[in-house]
Amino acid sequence: AQKITQTQPGMFVQEKEAVTLDCTYDTSDQSYGLFWYKQPSSGEMIFLIYQGSYDEQNATEGRYSLNFQKARKSANLVISASQLGDSAMYFCAMRVVPGGTSYGKLTFGQGTILTVHP
Amino acid sequence: DAGVTQSPTHLIKTRGQQVTLRCSPKSGHDTVSWYQQALGQGPQFIFQYYEEEERQRGNFPDRFSGHQFPNYSSELNVNALLLGDSALYLCASSSGLTNHNEQFFGPGTRLTVL
Repeated sequence: AQKITQTQPGMFVQEKEAVTLDCTYDTSDQSYGLFWYKQPSSGEMIFLIYQGSYDEQNATEGRYSLNFQKARKSANLVISASQLGDSAMYFCAMRVVPGGTSYGKLTFGQGTILTVHP
Repeated sequence: DAGVTQSPTHLIKTRGQQVTLRCSPKSGHDTVSWYQQALGQGPQFIFQYYEEEERQRGNFPDRFSGHQFPNYSSELNVNALLLGDSALYLCASSSGLTNHNEQFFGPGTRLTVL
């Protein structure tokens, strides 16, 4: 079974500063993917960034980067230069890829509410 | 290019009733997954459909059932509604041909059971 743990129920950051959201995972599978999603109050889940278990480089997407430490089973999200619009719930998720196919379910953590102060 | 669409946006039902939620996947996607998100929680996987068949199922009772149509759209049916079924129901689509990638989520249907 897979498990995602997000230990920060809420985080606060000043506008234009960087913030790190923590995520640890547990799986016995060797092939998996790690995702971060943003969920504003409207409810829609917005994909931010993806890291494959065999990717050697940390993933980056604009202001988002994923600090992937495989041995520690952590996949922290770093948001640089925070903006007021970044205030939302953030979820870390994992997908195990059974048999090399693409249809594994996503397992989500409990989420972290990020508040950006002006 | 339309993304994932869901209907209705909001729904209010009473205990014991039945409900059907609908989802149209993103253009080019053939796989639809359904998730239940209770207030303040992360989404929980219900099931996934591919080629009109249920391919994977989470830990949900048989009251939750689904269907996928030849055009890849999908329905989620919940029978004998309970108060605990009140949640945001999210649909996600993906391509069965890709080997990683995000699942694109729809805006969700917020179900309230009274």
